[in-house]
Amino acid sequence: GQSLEQPSEVTAVEGAIVQINCTYQTSGFYGLSWYQQHDGGAPTFLSYNGLDGLEETGRFSSFLSRSDSYGYLLLQELQMKDSASYFCAAPGGATNKLIFGTGTLLAVQP
Amino acid sequence: DTEVTQTPKHLVMGMTNKKSLKCEQHMGHRAMYWYKQKAKKPPELMFVYSYEKLSINESVPSRFSPECPNSSLLNLHLHALQPEDSALYLCASSQGTGNGEKLFFGSGTQLSVL
Repeated sequence: GQSLEQPSEVTAVEGAIVQINCTYQTSGFYGLSWYQQHDGGAPTFLSYNGLDGLEETGRFSSFLSRSDSYGYLLLQELQMKDSASYFCAAPGGATNKLIFGTGTLLAVQP
Repeated sequence: DTEVTQTPKHLVMGMTNKKSLKCEQHMGHRAMYWYKQKAKKPPELMFVYSYEKLSINESVPSRFSPECPNSSLLNLHLHALQPEDSALYLCASSQGTGNGEKLFFGSGTQLSVL
């Protein structure tokens, strides 16, 4: 089957660095995306890795290793506003449209 | 305009009611999606429209009926829903229709079925 597994919760303090992992099983693979969703809000796109390696976008970076079926989102200089749910996502399922990982709730503490 | 707009933001309906959710985007995107999201769960794909035609129905019960009147609008008609259908319904769009497209989401309609 198709699955993307993430830790359910992560807690960190302001100013710290946190890594959110995603391990996946999909029949084909077209790259890994990351979305952020604040409570009651819309998921918003953060980053995409089509190839192995690190992609950096400001305070956020994302990494992919296709040989390990693994990726992570790295958030640096954490701010309170980063408290949100984070989802990895990849095409999968019978329709090969975007399916989302189990989600990680990040709590940033003062 | 880089927004996907959904109305209403909140909806409470009885099991015998008929209601519609609306979604609009003016980014010229060619694909539009309906996702369902339960609390503390990831979004789950329901329907995909590509170039205004229904291309994917993820085995959604017939009490949910999508409609795409034009390239900017997407509706979800609701009839005879069950309490377990209570969820956040998210509309999204993407520029292309390929796999792994970047999705732009609306803020959703929080639906409660009594």
